[in-house]
Amino acid sequence: ETGVTQSPTHLIKTRGQQVTLRCSSQSGHNTVSWYQQALGQGPQFIFQYYREEENGRGNFPPRFSGLQFPNYSSELNVNALELDDSALYLCASSLTGTSGGAWETQYFGPGTRLLVL
Amino acid sequence: DQQVKQNSPSLSVQEGRISILNCDYTNSMFDYFLWYKKYPAEGPTFLISISSIKDKNEDGRFTVFLNKSAKHLSLHIVPSQPGDSAVYFCAALGTYKYIFGTGTRLKVLA
Repeated sequence: ETGVTQSPTHLIKTRGQQVTLRCSSQSGHNTVSWYQQALGQGPQFIFQYYREEENGRGNFPPRFSGLQFPNYSSELNVNALELDDSALYLCASSLTGTSGGAWETQYFGPGTRLLVL
Repeated sequence: DQQVKQNSPSLSVQEGRISILNCDYTNSMFDYFLWYKKYPAEGPTFLISISSIKDKNEDGRFTVFLNKSAKHLSLHIVPSQPGDSAVYFCAALGTYKYIFGTGTRLKVLA
């Protein structure tokens, strides 16, 4: 077990609604990354937060946004939900050192499965 | 454009034999690679990694091989066990993110 937790485990929403997913990082980790995994695909990078700032972003529209809190827990918010947003959402925590974080291993939570109807 | 490719969606192996999972990548700037294992209803679990300065890394039953000239890496599991049945993802580390392949479902037959 990685120590990374996510809530809720499952969620059903309708098109146009907004959703907030939560992630609690592994103790001591200061970086959190969010991924979207569609059925039959590998995880796709959404964005990463380090010290409460967005540290990089993948090819996702601005209606995907995030927050990282001082205790390093994190939220993923998705506005104006679309049917294609139905997926497994994974967060991963890691430790980034002061010299930068090229080499850190990311540890994943169990994911939140979102279904948009 | 899929920068990390796992061309075999599934693989079946007899218990005790070797499992070989393959992964190809297109970006020669990648310099760190990882393998993750994923069971249903769980997040990916880190298995083993390798940096581009090496061509082999071993951890127990798991060995990862990297062929930079061919832009190819492989994961060998010896001996394979029924508990190894899962989906295996290879990932390459980009600037700040992991780029994952689409996964290979391994089934180890008892």
